Amino acid sequence: AQKITQTQPGMFVQEKEAVTLDCTYDTSDQSYGLFWYKQPSSGEMIFLIYQGSYDEQNATEGRYSLNFQKARKSANLVISASQLGDSAMYFCAMRDYTGNQFYFGTGTSLTVIP
Amino acid sequence: KAGVTQTPRYLIKTRGQQVTLSCSPISGHRSVSWYQQTPGQGLQFLFEYFSETQRNKGNFPGRFSGRQFSNSRSEMNVSTLELGDSALYLCASSSIPGQGALDYGYTFGSGTRLTVV
Repeated sequence: AQKITQTQPGMFVQEKEAVTLDCTYDTSDQSYGLFWYKQPSSGEMIFLIYQGSYDEQNATEGRYSLNFQKARKSANLVISASQLGDSAMYFCAMRDYTGNQFYFGTGTSLTVIP
Repeated sequence: KAGVTQTPRYLIKTRGQQVTLSCSPISGHRSVSWYQQTPGQGLQFLFEYFSETQRNKGNFPGRFSGRQFSNSRSEMNVSTLELGDSALYLCASSSIPGQGALDYGYTFGSGTRLTVV
C-alpha cells in the first residue's frame, strides 16, 4: 500500500528566508509521481511541483524545488525567498502506477513571519 | 479558461438528510475524482469517473455515491448524513485518466464545505 508521511505539523519561516518541508513515501511500485500542493484557507488545492520516479533531475518551478532522494524515498519541498502569501497548508502526494488516485500526507502548516 | 467549479461552496444539513454536491470540470476534461478532507482522516479518495463510468472507488460506505453526466459534470450524493460526514469535499478533473504517474494535469476545485448538525 502507498503511504505518504509528513512529520512537520507546523513550520515557521522568516520572510525572504528559505524553508524545507519534509516528505517521505512508501511504495513498492517502480513508476510513480510525487506532487506538492498548497492549500490556502480558501480550500482550493493548488499544484506546485511534480517529480516523476524516473526523473534524474530534481524538479524546479520558480521558487519551488523538489529535493528527490529516491533511495531514501524522500521528496522534500524547498521554498526559496519565502513570501507572506506562502502561508498555507502544504500537502505531499503520490500517484501510483495506475494513476487512479492520489495518496496524500497529513500536511504541514507553514507560517511566514514578516 | 475556467477552472473546476464546485457548487455549493458551503452547505449545512441535518443528520439523517441527504445531500448532493456538484462538480463541473475544466472544459475538455473527462475525468473527475472526488476527495473528502477532514481534520481527523486527512484527504481520502472517494471515487473517480471517466466517460460516465466509475473507474475506481475508495473505502467509503455505500451511503456515498456519485455519477457523471455526458457533459462530464459530476455529482456526488451522501444519504443518511452523519455528523462525521462534515468535511471539505474536493473535486479534481483531468484530461485523460490512467496515464499513470506521468500525467499531472490534475486540477482541483475550491471544494464544498459540508457541515452536518
